Amino acid sequence: TQLLEQSPQFLSIQEGENLTVYCNSSSVFSSLQWYRQEPGEGPVLLVTVVTGGEVKKLKRLTFQFGDARKDSSLHITAAQPGDTGLYLCAGLRGGGGGADGLTFGKGTHLIIQP
Amino acid sequence: NAGVMQNPRHLVRRRGQEARLRCSPMKGHSHVYWYRQLPEEGLKFMVYLQKENIIDESGMPKERFSAEFPKEGPSILRIQQVVRGDSAAYFCASSGGASQPQHFGDGTRLSIL
Repeated sequence: TQLLEQSPQFLSIQEGENLTVYCNSSSVFSSLQWYRQEPGEGPVLLVTVVTGGEVKKLKRLTFQFGDARKDSSLHITAAQPGDTGLYLCAGLRGGGGGADGLTFGKGTHLIIQP
Repeated sequence: NAGVMQNPRHLVRRRGQEARLRCSPMKGHSHVYWYRQLPEEGLKFMVYLQKENIIDESGMPKERFSAEFPKEGPSILRIQQVVRGDSAAYFCASSGGASQPQHFGDGTRLSIL
């Protein structure tokens, strides 16, 4: 059972367009992280959201945590070729029993064409 | 470099041999996590350790896999009698506390011949 569903799995758009990536679950998370992973490297942390309804901005990237802390979104404005990569969402439930490790989505492969 | 350090970056073993993967956490971090990434699959949690203690190993296969994080030195993920299905990228992450953000190393790519 995949606890975190990411969509879309693949996305190819033109430079300058806007896009949104979604991360959905039926489980409640104490926090949710967004990472970006390049081929041959480890995930690099972009942001952590903790409070339901929280919105964080990182330049052209806007991250939102759902009110019920079950879902999140990543919105990129005016995408650039340098945004190309694999974007991963990961939730932390906490409390032991495997919940101290992050639960990852399968990722969104994003390609921004010049 | 104050980031999470993993070595080796690539490891090749024959079936039946042992694989040892090392992870030095970020400076100031005492919480270490191991994840496995199989081809075409997402990262899966394996084990969570603090110094000299295994806190949560619910994601570890029941046999052949073990992990430690000694008082001195790096955390070690050990795989005994490796099989082809163990081929994967193994990532280590560290954090400053159980609920703190986890920072990842660049992984060890394990290939079994």
